[in-house]
Amino acid sequence: EIVLTQSPATLSLSPGERATLSCRASQSVSNYLAWYQQKPGQAPRLLIYDASNRATGIPARFSGSGSGTDFTLTISSLEPEDFAVYYCQQRSNWSLTFGGGTKVEIK
Amino acid sequence: EVQLVESGGGLVQPGRSLRLSCAASGFTFDDYVMHWVRQVPGKGLEWVSGISWNSGSTGYADSVKGRFTISRDNAKNSLYLQMNSLRAEDTALYYCAKGVVAGTTGLDYWGQGTLVTVSS
Repeated sequence: EIVLTQSPATLSLSPGERATLSCRASQSVSNYLAWYQQKPGQAPRLLIYDASNRATGIPARFSGSGSGTDFTLTISSLEPEDFAVYYCQQRSNWSLTFGGGTKVEIK
Repeated sequence: EVQLVESGGGLVQPGRSLRLSCAASGFTFDDYVMHWVRQVPGKGLEWVSGISWNSGSTGYADSVKGRFTISRDNAKNSLYLQMNSLRAEDTALYYCAKGVVAGTTGLDYWGQGTLVTVSS
């Protein structure tokens, strides 16, 4: 099973700051990686698919990069509604795994 | 508008069975891979199972393999999860989720979940 490790576990930032979230895979997943945002009481929302493609309706301040084992989600300038938990997810054949999540909190 | 509505959750004793359903609408159901993902309240996401558009391929997390069975009925636009030999650690909110187009990594629509509680 491919393990995804997200860091940091918590990121304390102020609105307007840049957020950089990391996701590292235990072995190469090529570009088969997605990012999600989840707010309390809500289902996850897809932000990025195939490592770097924004999903429909996702603002341009969200961007994804990386391939192989190291991936990054960047939020260029945090808006108040961006404070949430973020998960990465990979697929390998018929097995998916999620990372443990990064909480982006208001500093 | 894409909608995924889960049902079938509830309180069940350890060792018993439960069948979850997911009713899909607003898209061509039989064009897409579908998945079940669960989440213990306050914890992270865990993929449970997935199924191809024609039921020809399925996958399961090691934690549920041999106990859970995923299926779909394209004529009814419905996804199912048969859960047998339930354990306390299966307690979670179970989400139904739709895959993005074939060959793409991502789940672009999610239901609101159905809560399964396994307890005596």
